[in-house]
Amino acid sequence: AQRVTQPEKLLSVFKGAPVELKCNYSYSGSPELFWYVQYSRQRLQLLLRHISRESIKGFTADLNKGETSFHLKKPFAQEEDSAMYYCALATRGGNMLTFGGGTRLMVKP
Amino acid sequence: EAGVAQSPRYKIIEKRQSVAFWCNPISGHATLYWYQQILGQGPKLLIQFQNNGVVDDSQLPKDRFSAERLKGVDSTLKIQPAKLEDSAVYLCASSLTGWAEAFFGQGTRLTVV
Repeated sequence: AQRVTQPEKLLSVFKGAPVELKCNYSYSGSPELFWYVQYSRQRLQLLLRHISRESIKGFTADLNKGETSFHLKKPFAQEEDSAMYYCALATRGGNMLTFGGGTRLMVKP
Repeated sequence: EAGVAQSPRYKIIEKRQSVAFWCNPISGHATLYWYQQILGQGPKLLIQFQNNGVVDDSQLPKDRFSAERLKGVDSTLKIQPAKLEDSAVYLCASSLTGWAEAFFGQGTRLTVV
């Protein structure tokens, strides 16, 4: 069965500092990987997915199949990046979108 | 486009009572998910529908939880009877396909006392 692990429950950084939110997964096939974000009092929404290989709001994520990781990075954090971030995995065929436990990012002024 | 609609937003029930949640997905979305999110945890997939067929329900506690998707559109999730540990936010999401972006509703916060 697939599993997504986010080792940090909370990550606190100062504005302008680099950010890396860690995500590790276990799945025997070729996964589809996503980062979802939930801002305060808003719905959970897609931030980015590995297949699109694009940067959203300055965030990027690279799939490392050797290390089975999909870490989310941003070179300079902004206060508006403060939110809950969830890494998620879908199996081949698009089934079973599975979420990690989430990391709360706090960006201090 | 209109988003995923869920009702009710909040529900408080006593243990052993029954409760039902309703979800109206985005029009045209074939895939519908129900998640349970306990405070401090990530969303846990309960059941995934493709149109009106079940794709996966391996984590649905079938002795007390049931779900259906009528005519491949709206869906209901029922708990009967509820336990204290069922207190959580129940999220519904839909997507064009299982590969595509999932759009989430605002969730129903259930408190079992």
